[in-house]
Amino acid sequence: ILNVEQSPQSLHVQEGDSTNFTCSFPSSNFYALHWYRWETAKSPEALFVMTLNGDEKKKGRISATLNTKEGYSYLYIKGSQPEDSATYLCASDNYGQNFVFGPGTRLSVLP
Amino acid sequence: DVKVTQSSRYLVKRTGEKVFLECVQDMDHENMFWYRQDPGLGLRLIYFSYDVKMKEKGDIPEGYSVSREKKERFSLILESASTNQTSMYLCASSLGSQGGNQPQHFGDGTRLSIL
Repeated sequence: ILNVEQSPQSLHVQEGDSTNFTCSFPSSNFYALHWYRWETAKSPEALFVMTLNGDEKKKGRISATLNTKEGYSYLYIKGSQPEDSATYLCASDNYGQNFVFGPGTRLSVLP
Repeated sequence: DVKVTQSSRYLVKRTGEKVFLECVQDMDHENMFWYRQDPGLGLRLIYFSYDVKMKEKGDIPEGYSVSREKKERFSLILESASTNQTSMYLCASSLGSQGGNQPQHFGDGTRLSIL
């Protein structure tokens, strides 16, 4: 079983602060890395699919980078808003079929 | 948009009961998955299916079985519910492997309590 880790486990920031968190995964046999946002009482929502070393993707104020050689990805949120409060999950994609999820980073943005 | 629908948001059952959790997707996806989510552990894969009548064990299949008689429906069965199966259950679907790097689309989850 692949071991996917995320840090920190939880995070509290003030509205307007920028923040980032980390996903680490085994770099051998890498196929793809997925980021999800999971808001309370909703279903996890796909944010990014990342495949190439050095990939950088952006969606509004959220962006992500990927380093497949060292096995990590960063998720950045610029100017956090209360609606960004959620659990952010990353998942290592094992040859395009099974995902192995990290435990998530719970972000709380305080107004 | 892909819609993955789970039959119940909340369910309370008793120890020893046979429990069925139903999941339906409307995008003709080949792949379907069942996960459970427990605090601090992230999503753990129970079973998955790449085609009708096909099933594969995930990381924690013990105490569970699945059924996929139709492409759009994937059922999770707790043969004899136990209290350690109290959890949040999530169903997901995705395009087949030929789709390449496809995200999984999730239902809203079923919070199951076994008393």
